[in-house]
Amino acid sequence: DAMVIQNPRYQVTQFGKPVTLSCSQTLNHNVMYWYQQKSSQAPKLLFHYYDKDFNNEADTPDNFQSRRPNTSFCFLDIRSPGLGDAAMYLCATSTARQGMGTEAFFGQGTRLTVV
Amino acid sequence: GQNIDQPTEMTATEGAIVQINCTYQTSGFNGLFWYQQHAGEAPTFLSYNVLDGLEEKGRFSSFLSRSKGYSYLLLKELQMKDSASYLCAARFSGGYNKLIFGAGTRLAVHP
Repeated sequence: DAMVIQNPRYQVTQFGKPVTLSCSQTLNHNVMYWYQQKSSQAPKLLFHYYDKDFNNEADTPDNFQSRRPNTSFCFLDIRSPGLGDAAMYLCATSTARQGMGTEAFFGQGTRLTVV
Repeated sequence: GQNIDQPTEMTATEGAIVQINCTYQTSGFNGLFWYQQHAGEAPTFLSYNVLDGLEEKGRFSSFLSRSKGYSYLLLKELQMKDSASYLCAARFSGGYNKLIFGAGTRLAVHP
């Protein structure tokens, strides 16, 4: 059973047209992450939440926003997608504890195409 | 910064052993993870180290030296299906379990 679910798997959007990607989890994890991954590159952390506390990476463009209305759901909003925003977007969750069993669990990702 | 460095590509033969190295900056470090990622798929968790030493899990083992900021992933009895990218990721204590990934090592296993 999928524990971190991302919808849709594939998203095509027009240049400049706002788009929202969604992520839900059944693990009740405190921490949720959004990563952007381009071909053959590292997943790049955009931001993460601890409960409702939002942590933005310094180099995340203002074009990217996020919402977490409750523990289970998190959204990534791209206000004006450019061609350079085409990528795989990965959502992940983890507990806030330390130690074994604290790995991040990933969703299947949403592959975004900008036309 | 929190740079994570690992080799870009490696090749190995089916049945052999391969070691993939990873170095990271030690400031704020509190855990090292290895993930496997096949092309077009999400990363899947392989191993976790927070204390110095070796963690063994079947054909895969992972080692950590905190003082050196160094880890490796050891894959034994390589199979063709092990051809994938292997991502080293370090957790840092600032910002609630901030998890930063290296660029990944693409491993190609040949017959």
